[in-house]
Amino acid sequence: SQQGEEDPQALSIQEGENATMNCSYKTSINNLQWYRQNSGRGLVHLILIRSNEREKHSGRLRVTLDTSKKSSSLLITASRAADTASYFCATYNAGGTSYGKLTFGQGTILTVHP
Amino acid sequence: DAMVIQNPRYQVTQFGKPVTLSCSQTLNHNVMYWYQQKSSQAPKLLFHYYDKDFNNEADTPDNFQSRRPNTSFCFLDIRSPGLGDAAMYLCATSREEADPQHFGDGTRLSIL
Repeated sequence: SQQGEEDPQALSIQEGENATMNCSYKTSINNLQWYRQNSGRGLVHLILIRSNEREKHSGRLRVTLDTSKKSSSLLITASRAADTASYFCATYNAGGTSYGKLTFGQGTILTVHP
Repeated sequence: DAMVIQNPRYQVTQFGKPVTLSCSQTLNHNVMYWYQQKSSQAPKLLFHYYDKDFNNEADTPDNFQSRRPNTSFCFLDIRSPGLGDAAMYLCATSREEADPQHFGDGTRLSIL
């Protein structure tokens, strides 16, 4: 079953603007990860935030996590045309007695116009 | 550079004809995963290996199988591909299950 739901499904902005993508999930998590996927390529890991963390930064990326609302957001500041890609959130649950797994949301398609 | 390599990038097979996709890694990671991704959808986990331990997702079709003969290599076998199996197949690795995953560029499978 789908764990993460992302919003918006598609986002179109101009270069230099900020892009914000949101992710909501249903069950408890150990960590939440964001990935980027360029068309026809594999996914690239961007950032991991643990369940006891609230905010994390990496370059132009800022991720927040609110476990009480079961939601996360990814902010890309000063976007560039090269940021055009699909962005996926993925939640990791250790699974208790069984193995843990990463479950991906449906993704947000970001288009940055030059 | 350490990486995850999938071969071939594009694979065409006939309806019902067995096909094998391959994945190799130079990261020496414990875990290897196979995902299926259809157009504009989220990657869907098929199965994964932690070292030699195999874990199959409950809804993975029976005609999908996997082999991991050693740490570096993992194979996806589709015994009797149907038209619905046309998709991108992604291999990924991670050091531990909770860690970030490193993906290959995928194999796009077409069924004639």
